This record gives sequence, C-alpha cells and structure tokens, in this order.
Amino acid sequence: DQQVKQNSPSLSVQEGRISILNCDYTNSMFDYFLWYKKYPAEGPTFLISISSIKDKNEDGRFTVFLNKSAKHLSLHIVPSQPGDSAVYFCAASPSGGGADGLTFGKGTHLIIQP
Amino acid sequence: NAGVTQTPKFQVLKTGQSMTLQCAQDMNHEYMSWYRQDPGMGLRLIHYSVGAGITDQGEVPNGYNVSRSTTEDFPLRLLSAAPSQTSVYFCASSHYSGGPNEKLFFGSGTQLSVL
Repeated sequence: DQQVKQNSPSLSVQEGRISILNCDYTNSMFDYFLWYKKYPAEGPTFLISISSIKDKNEDGRFTVFLNKSAKHLSLHIVPSQPGDSAVYFCAASPSGGGADGLTFGKGTHLIIQP
Repeated sequence: NAGVTQTPKFQVLKTGQSMTLQCAQDMNHEYMSWYRQDPGMGLRLIHYSVGAGITDQGEVPNGYNVSRSTTEDFPLRLLSAAPSQTSVYFCASSHYSGGPNEKLFFGSGTQLSVL
C-alpha cells in the first residue's frame, strides 16, 4: 500500500510559467516532508523540506505548501526554467524520526518547454 | 568535495553470482542507507545503519547483506544475484539525531543488470 503518492507521472510546463507538483500521503504519523530533484544518471538531491508545524516554506523560486488536514503537499516552482526539467520525488518521515528512512513517492517527471 | 561515492557505476552479473557494491562518505555522517529504484516504484529502502557496528533491515532486505565496520563505509552485498535484483542502487547518508530524518545526501548510483 503506497503511503506517499505522486499521481502525476509527468508534467509539462512552459518556461516562465508556474510548475505545481502534488503529493498525497496516507500515514498520519508523517509530519516531516521533503522534496528531492533527480537528473538522469545522477543521485537525487535535496531541494526543500517542511515540518508539519508550518504550512508553507519558501526557498527562492521554490515553495512547498502543506495541508495537513487533507494530507496533501505541493511544490511550486516560479518561474519555471529549463534546468528545472528533472524527476521530483516527494518523501515523508514520521515525527519521531527513526532510522528506518524516508518513504518516497514514485516521482513526477517535470518537463519545461521553451 | 567528494560527498557520497559509489562504485562501480555499472555492473552486469549472471544469475547466482555474488558481488559487493561499495559506498563511502567523507562527511562524518552517522546514518547511511541503501535504496533501490525500479521503474514506476520510486525509491525503496534496503538496509540502513545509524553508526559503526549497527545495521538494520529496510523495506526490501531479502537477498542483500550489509555491514558497517567504519563510519565512512557501508558496502552492500548481493549473495546470489537474481534477475529481480536488476535495478539502480543508491547509497545515501546524513547526520542522525534521532529526530525527524535529516536530509539525505545521495551517491550517483550503480546500475546493476542480472542476466
């Protein structure tokens, strides 16, 4: 049973526009969320995170929104640039942390069209 | 600026062969882990370690062994390779405080094919 779901395998957005990537989770014990970006033939790299005590976290062009009641988070990229074309993974962790790792979604392939 | 180093980058094995995927980090991270990425499956945790001498199983541990004799190294052993182990393998590390998982630093991956 998938605990972290990214229901859009791919998303195409025009350069300069806003990209919105969505993520849903089912485990109510999750309360720390991260987004990773992955280019082909490279490992994922950390992009931005949010704790459940917040509903928004910004870092430059990237903003993550968390709706805890809906168990939903989204990543906004404004404005989208060609270098943003990559696979984006949503990941979640329980509040107590724990060493048993992050639970990842299947990823969304973002394609920025010129 | 090495970070997390994985070797080899590519490997082809025959069914039944054994091999070790190497992982080393130079950031003095307590926590190290191995993930596999399969098409349409995202990243799944195989094994992890919170410090030298301590290892534990993740979501998909069968067919793999690990050991952690030093802080820097965390090798993953395939005991008897099977076609189902064809995948891309990522090693990752982070500081570990016992609280919410710190952001992971990933290696560049090992693409393994088992024929």
